[in-house]
Amino acid sequence: AQSVTQPDIHITVSEGASLELRCNYSYGATPYLFWYVQSPGQGLQLLLKYFSGDTLVQGIKGFEAEFKRSQSSFNLRKPSVHWSDAAEYFCAVESYNTDKLIFGTGTRLQVFP
Amino acid sequence: EAGVAQSPRYKIIEKRQSVAFWCNPISGHATLYWYQQILGQGPKLLIQFQNNGVVDDSQLPKDRFSAERLKGVDSTLKIQPAKLEDSAVYLCASSLSGQGGSYGYTFGSGTRLTVV
Repeated sequence: AQSVTQPDIHITVSEGASLELRCNYSYGATPYLFWYVQSPGQGLQLLLKYFSGDTLVQGIKGFEAEFKRSQSSFNLRKPSVHWSDAAEYFCAVESYNTDKLIFGTGTRLQVFP
Repeated sequence: EAGVAQSPRYKIIEKRQSVAFWCNPISGHATLYWYQQILGQGPKLLIQFQNNGVVDDSQLPKDRFSAERLKGVDSTLKIQPAKLEDSAVYLCASSLSGQGGSYGYTFGSGTRLTVV
């Protein structure tokens, strides 16, 4: 069965520091991969997605993610974190043609000034 | 375009009571999803509709949960009777039929249910 693992439950960084959130998936073929952000009391907002092609994907708010097939990973990065980036981040996978998302358990990001 | 609308935003009920949530997807989106997000966990798919038909309800606790999308637009999710472990945020999402990955999923703000 497909699954998504986010090993880090909670990450704390200082404002201006770089950030990397880890995501690993389990699936036989290359799935569609997504990163979502959820602020308190809000719905899920799409940061970026990967379908095929260039393995480095640019998203909104200065985020990027790199798909590494050999490691079954899709890690999210940002070179310089802002206090407003504090939120919950979810990695998700959609297997080809199933039209539904499977989410990881999320990583809570805390940003210190 | 308008987003996915959900109501109510918050609901507090006692265990064994019933509750219903409403969702209005983006116009033209044939596929509608209900997710349950328990505190500290990622969203879990409860049910997926395409138009007014159920595509996947394998994770819906059918002894207490029910959902319908009678006219292929709005949807309601009902819990009867509620249990303490049903406390969660219930998210509705929609996508163009068969193109969820390509065109994206749009999520509503959710309904936060507290069962006491």
